[in-house]
Amino acid sequence: AQKITQTQPGMFVQEKEAVTLDCTYDTSDPSYGLFWYKQPSSGEMIFLIYQGSYDQQNATEGRYSLNFQKARKSANLVISASQLGDSAMYFCAMRENTGGFKTIFGAGTRLFVKA
Amino acid sequence: ETGVTQTPRHLVMGMTNKKSLKCEQHLGHNAMYWYKQSAKKPLELMFVYNFKEQTENNSVPSRFSPECPNSSHLFLHLHTLQPEDSALYLCASSQELYLSPSNEQFFGPGTRLTVL
Repeated sequence: AQKITQTQPGMFVQEKEAVTLDCTYDTSDPSYGLFWYKQPSSGEMIFLIYQGSYDQQNATEGRYSLNFQKARKSANLVISASQLGDSAMYFCAMRENTGGFKTIFGAGTRLFVKA
Repeated sequence: ETGVTQTPRHLVMGMTNKKSLKCEQHLGHNAMYWYKQSAKKPLELMFVYNFKEQTENNSVPSRFSPECPNSSHLFLHLHTLQPEDSALYLCASSQELYLSPSNEQFFGPGTRLTVL
């Protein structure tokens, strides 16, 4: 069974607008972490934001925020004020405490920012 | 730059060749990872090393042979590969193996491998 699901293979957003990238996950471990990474065309994976399962507040890092809805098992990434440089692949990932060293990645969403 | 470098960035090899991928991290991390990223598939974990010891081999074929001589360097030795092994191979490191907000993985730029 897929543990991380990203249902949007591609998304378009107008420059300066906000966009939400969806991510749902499946785990029975009460302790887990959720990560979002950005992968530009150059290939490197860039860490964006982290949300722990016990964190009471949604994580924020600059223009990135994570809409964490634990009961629904969703961890959507919100990018505010999109920039042309935000065009890239975005991956949602999860690491469970019981399998601490295995980070499981979703299939990714390709974001296109239009000028 | 993330502090993780990989060489070469691109590699084309025949099925009978032997080659090695190199990864180096300048972050003082203790854990290093190899991932495979194929087209239209999620990132797949291949190997995990913690303090130079292999802690995970995710059912990877023996034609891929990892080596970790110290905590800063990780190699992936390749021999008799198949065309379906063509992919982007990403190296990553983290401070520790276990779950915490500070243990996010830092990735290198990857090696784009093509097997003819």
